[in-house]
Amino acid sequence: LAKTTQPISMDSYEGQEVNITCSHNNIATNDYITWYQQFPSQGPRFIIQGYKTKVTNEVASLFIPADRKSSTLSLPRVSLSDTAVYYCLVGDLSSGAGSYQLTFGKGTKLSVIP
Amino acid sequence: ETGVTQSPTHLIKTRGQQVTLRCSSQSGHNTVSWYQQALGQGPQFIFQYYREEENGRGNFPPRFSGLQFPNYSSELNVNALELDDSALYLCASSLLGYNEQFFGPGTRLTVL
Repeated sequence: LAKTTQPISMDSYEGQEVNITCSHNNIATNDYITWYQQFPSQGPRFIIQGYKTKVTNEVASLFIPADRKSSTLSLPRVSLSDTAVYYCLVGDLSSGAGSYQLTFGKGTKLSVIP
Repeated sequence: ETGVTQSPTHLIKTRGQQVTLRCSSQSGHNTVSWYQQALGQGPQFIFQYYREEENGRGNFPPRFSGLQFPNYSSELNVNALELDDSALYLCASSLLGYNEQFFGPGTRLTVL
């Protein structure tokens, strides 16, 4: 399982764009990159997933360079409700009947300031 | 569509006791995974069940065991509770082979 490294914490003002970068130097060919968000005393919530280049959905964008050794989660115009812990994970989708587990690190604690 | 639910919300046990936590998967999902989250840490994978059989296990001792039922609901059993077992226990359901897992709100277990 590829190990990930992300900043422990980040602060941002409301309305700003926030970029959280994750390093995954040992990512394997079959691995996808997934980001989850977690509020206190709640389970994590899927945000976005990608394999290469750029993926965008209604809440975030994910930028993945050609070598795939890092990825950047971009949150446009954050609000106070975006204050949460954000986890970067890598994992193999082609598990078939084998085991598939999500390996969480400590995540990045994002604090949005009024 | 009903999301993942867990019961109970909170639980207090004493060292050496046994506990059973329950999870109801999201409709249509055939895989359930259990995670332990200690305070200030990310969730740690305990095991996964698919078609009522264990489909993968993390670094947890055998006193952590589970069941998955035909309706895809699941139980996590922990025997001989230790103080370090105090944590938030999360259940997540998914379709096998898909990265996106849907988490329940968790059960907060306190071992005294």
